[in-house]
Amino acid sequence: NAGVTQTPKFRVLKTGQSMTLLCAQDMNHEYMYWYRQDPGMGLRLIHYSVGEGTTAKGEVPDGYNVSRLKKQNFLLGLESAAPSQTSVYFCASRGDAANYGYTFGSGTRLTVV
Amino acid sequence: GDSVTQMEGPVTLSEEAFLTINCTYTATGYPSLFWYVQYPGEGLQLLLKATKADDKGSNKGFEATYRKETTSFHLEKGSVQVSDSAVYFCALSRSPGTYKYIFGTGTRLKVLA
Repeated sequence: NAGVTQTPKFRVLKTGQSMTLLCAQDMNHEYMYWYRQDPGMGLRLIHYSVGEGTTAKGEVPDGYNVSRLKKQNFLLGLESAAPSQTSVYFCASRGDAANYGYTFGSGTRLTVV
Repeated sequence: GDSVTQMEGPVTLSEEAFLTINCTYTATGYPSLFWYVQYPGEGLQLLLKATKADDKGSNKGFEATYRKETTSFHLEKGSVQVSDSAVYFCALSRSPGTYKYIFGTGTRLKVLA
């Protein structure tokens, strides 16, 4: 089935290590988003992209970088992981109209020790 | 700025009970409103939406009516099942001009057999 695919699904990092989370969508969506989900805090937007080659900061961008070199892929990087970045990360994409719903990936559970 | 407020959970109900999860919003203009559901270990899925005042969104026995006069979009279901146990998120998208959705903090529903 098509949709939004996130890799990896689980990861454990040591403090200071780096990693990249990959999000891929096959719906030709322009807009893509990275959220983190923490208990009691709902979803918080990290970065987003309104098209190939564009990125923008969301509510909680510090400690993360992103790239959108191809329309179908949106990468989230952690350059130097910290325990505060332990979270579940969700990627989402959306079609052109604001009243379209998001399509979410199944998430990446990241633990930083 | 725009915001979404959901009732605190968890909500615990017996099977076949009536469900209401309250959601109110603050936004300028005429936002689109959404309910998403997240089952354990999964990403969020669009449950229903409404794009203008007095619209009723419905899906899988769930309903919500866009009430502009009370700025509300309460989720209801007449008879819940154990399989409805999940976290429910209310969200808005203000159009035109915004690419980002605003999510509530989520309400956990637990249905007991």
